[in-house]
Amino acid sequence: DTEVTQTPKHLVMGMTNKKSLKCEQHMGHRAMYWYKQKAKKPPELMFVYSYEKLSINESVPSRFSPECPNSSLLNLHLHALQPEDSALYLCASSLAMSEVIFGPGTRLTVL
Amino acid sequence: GENVEQHPSTLSVQEGDSAVIKCTYSDSASNYFPWYKQELGKGPQLIIDIRSNVGEKKDQRIAVTLNKTAKHFSLHITETQPEDSAVYFCAALRRWRYKLIFGSGTRLLVRP
Repeated sequence: DTEVTQTPKHLVMGMTNKKSLKCEQHMGHRAMYWYKQKAKKPPELMFVYSYEKLSINESVPSRFSPECPNSSLLNLHLHALQPEDSALYLCASSLAMSEVIFGPGTRLTVL
Repeated sequence: GENVEQHPSTLSVQEGDSAVIKCTYSDSASNYFPWYKQELGKGPQLIIDIRSNVGEKKDQRIAVTLNKTAKHFSLHITETQPEDSAVYFCAALRRWRYKLIFGSGTRLLVRP
């Protein structure tokens, strides 16, 4: 298995909703990432987990809450989002600090 | 600060021609340089990478070159095909860091 999977593919939510994005990899990678990508822009790093511990938080608002239940799973909990949070949310993983493999992304729309 | 500049922002080539995308990085401690291809509605796909101890790397029709002195690295695609049409991102990574610094992207269009 050489891929990162993400669910759901698309998500529409209201500003008062709570939802979660899920990510899974079975490549034995020990680092997992959340990125946010707006249209026509490069991905922006949000969080990094290394060996299941939060290693980097790029000053992300608290309405985004990451969770790493085990070495294969990564979640992103969403609450009270704003319309400007609409974007493609990408999960990624890497064995070491390089060769970052991205998932297909979740297209999030906040109404 | 850390910065990667990427040029051109758009590139249109005839099928069969070559395409070259160039990036310049600012952080001299960067030692890993990947290239990603992103098709519409998909996540970025790692297509080739190079480390600072290597000057050139090839994989079939794609190659990457690195000039550490000038802090330049480039992606070369030969014999382009319509399926090469996508947005390409370069990136740089500093040793012992997790954060990739991305270029702004190049939209490549290969005309049949």
